[in-house]
Amino acid sequence: NAGVTQTPKFQVLKTGQSMTLQCAQDMNHEYMSWYRQDPGMGLRLIHYSVGAGITDQGEVPNGYNVSRSTTEDFPLRLLSAAPSQTSVYFCASSPTGGSSYEQYFGPGTRLTVT
Amino acid sequence: AQSVSQHNHHVILSEAASLELGCNYSYGGTVNLFWYVQYPGQHLQLLLKYFSGDPLVKGIKGFEAEFIKSKFSFNLRKPSVQWSDTAEYFCAVNTGANNLFFGTGTRLTVIP
Repeated sequence: NAGVTQTPKFQVLKTGQSMTLQCAQDMNHEYMSWYRQDPGMGLRLIHYSVGAGITDQGEVPNGYNVSRSTTEDFPLRLLSAAPSQTSVYFCASSPTGGSSYEQYFGPGTRLTVT
Repeated sequence: AQSVSQHNHHVILSEAASLELGCNYSYGGTVNLFWYVQYPGQHLQLLLKYFSGDPLVKGIKGFEAEFIKSKFSFNLRKPSVQWSDTAEYFCAVNTGANNLFFGTGTRLTVIP
């Protein structure tokens, strides 16, 4: 199993550009989530999904959209990038039961917005 | 709102020293507790978890943590650290909803 994969590894955007961060898992996990990691702030939940077709907001959802058309994929869209979105983004998945269970994290995407 | 506090931001130890990293949370109900580790250049991985039962839980690589409900704490310990334990350590708390709250992390540097 590849586990949780994320692409790209690095990305530089200009303010106002849009882009999609890809996340896929091959463990048939129902629960998937996106976090951002900022220095001194730990990881904060952006959006999560408890299954295909179901998404919900986390702690810091503004400026981001998600969709979950399949169990495997959970892309994160930045609608109009801002310098405040410069961060490292982690995707995670978990078996049915949501965040009560161990989260399996992807390798992360380092995003810089200039 | 729930919060998770890790008061040690950066800890520097020599090899063979003992380690204790603090984690406190603010939530009065039932919690699931986790410690995750992020080695340099790698993604987060689970060190150990507590759901119920024995409040002293053992994880990988000789780490253990103790859940003290009365103190809302879940401190991580290791009797003798190694250089390879250099990493960032995150405490996380789940309160039963679909939300996992992370602490701000503690960076551990172990000097050979």
